Amino acid sequence: EVQVVESGGGLVQPGGSLRLSCAASGFTFRGHWMTWVRQAPGKGLEWVANINQDESEKYYVDSVKGRFTISRDNAKNSLYLQMNSLRAEDTAMYYCARGVRGVLPLDYWGQGTLVTVSS
Amino acid sequence: SYVLTQPPSVSVAPGQTARITCGANNIGGKTVYWYQQKAGQAPVLVVYDDSDRPSGIPERFSGSNSGNTATLTISRVEAGDEADYYCQVWDSSSDQGIFGGGTKLTVL
Repeated sequence: EVQVVESGGGLVQPGGSLRLSCAASGFTFRGHWMTWVRQAPGKGLEWVANINQDESEKYYVDSVKGRFTISRDNAKNSLYLQMNSLRAEDTAMYYCARGVRGVLPLDYWGQGTLVTVSS
Repeated sequence: SYVLTQPPSVSVAPGQTARITCGANNIGGKTVYWYQQKAGQAPVLVVYDDSDRPSGIPERFSGSNSGNTATLTISRVEAGDEADYYCQVWDSSSDQGIFGGGTKLTVL
């Protein structure tokens, strides 16, 4: 069974850092693009970043460029999102999702991990 | 950047047909994906490549894409279809995945 499980969320002060993790199982992790999507409370989905199979391609939404870094460890079947210089507007549920083939579509999603940026 | 416009809400009676639009400049030239998100749950892919359905998605869900509008059509709507629906494309000019603002489907 394909599964992706996020962890690492929590409460952090503005300007702080947090590292999210996504543990994948049930499929050949190294064979897929992976993506982070977020959803602020009561708002819509926002694509955040994605990464290809060998980390040679990484793309980010404009609002996180220079602050967030996506990475992966294929030996550990894990995806990461390092978030620095966090702002209140980064408060959201962060989802990890698998690309079926290439960057889209996203066929398996985790249940999300909540990040709250507040003093 | 590329913007996808969805109506905030659509209401339909059970058994009727719901049509949810996703508008953008020449969206017909892009590939559109649709996701369903029920309250408190993660999104689920319901249509890919404009009009194909993943396994397990009922035939009642269909999609089309032409000109400046993509459409998700849900036939014979059921109470269990009540959810938020999002369209998505890959914008190759900015190398970003773009979601529409979402449409809340209410089953009357």
